[in-house]
Amino acid sequence: QLQLQESGPGLVKPSETLSLTCTVSGGSISSSSFSWGWIRQPPQKGLEWIGSIYYSGNTYYNPSLQSRVTLSVDTSKNQFSLKLRFVSAADTAVYFCARWQYGSGWHWGQGTLVTVSS
Amino acid sequence: DIQMTQSPSSLSASVGDRVTITCRASQDIGSDLGWYQQKPGKAPQRLIYAVSSLQSGVPSRFSGSGSGTEFSLTISSLQPEDFATYYCLQHNSYPLTFGGGTKVEIK
Repeated sequence: QLQLQESGPGLVKPSETLSLTCTVSGGSISSSSFSWGWIRQPPQKGLEWIGSIYYSGNTYYNPSLQSRVTLSVDTSKNQFSLKLRFVSAADTAVYFCARWQYGSGWHWGQGTLVTVSS
Repeated sequence: DIQMTQSPSSLSASVGDRVTITCRASQDIGSDLGWYQQKPGKAPQRLIYAVSSLQSGVPSRFSGSGSGTEFSLTISSLQPEDFATYYCLQHNSYPLTFGGGTKVEIK
């Protein structure tokens, strides 16, 4: 059964870089049938797509975050990662990693809360 | 960017009620729309893909309809476990965009 698990610091200082990793189990990240993405949810607010990456390395980013975001894939570890630079309090959110399959939608990890504070 | 306008933002209903949530896209997205259910403190779960196809295991009281720019999610007979927040998502083009959410509360 597919499982995705986010990991990384729960507290990041303003202006620093938020780094999260998603470990995929029960399925291979090296499949052209899927893409892998990050979605976030500020406290008591809605969902915002951050970006998606294919195992080939092709990436798509939300224009509102594009200048600060980098996604990457490590096929040897069956992981993909998010880096968000120059964070501020507005980046405080629950960050979800997820697998996208056309015709099925997003399969989500449980999410991890990242707080930006000094 | 395609904007997804979801309404209402919240509603109160009783067990057994029929509930309809709508999403309007700012441009034609064909059938590239899905619906997700989120309960407090949990990750969203897939309900419906391609406008009207139920994910495996989703009760048949859930249904979706629409095309182009107007879409709806209907719960035919609200059950206690259905009280949650619902989101639509368009995947016709990047950036992927969600509706603002509809919180379904107990009356």
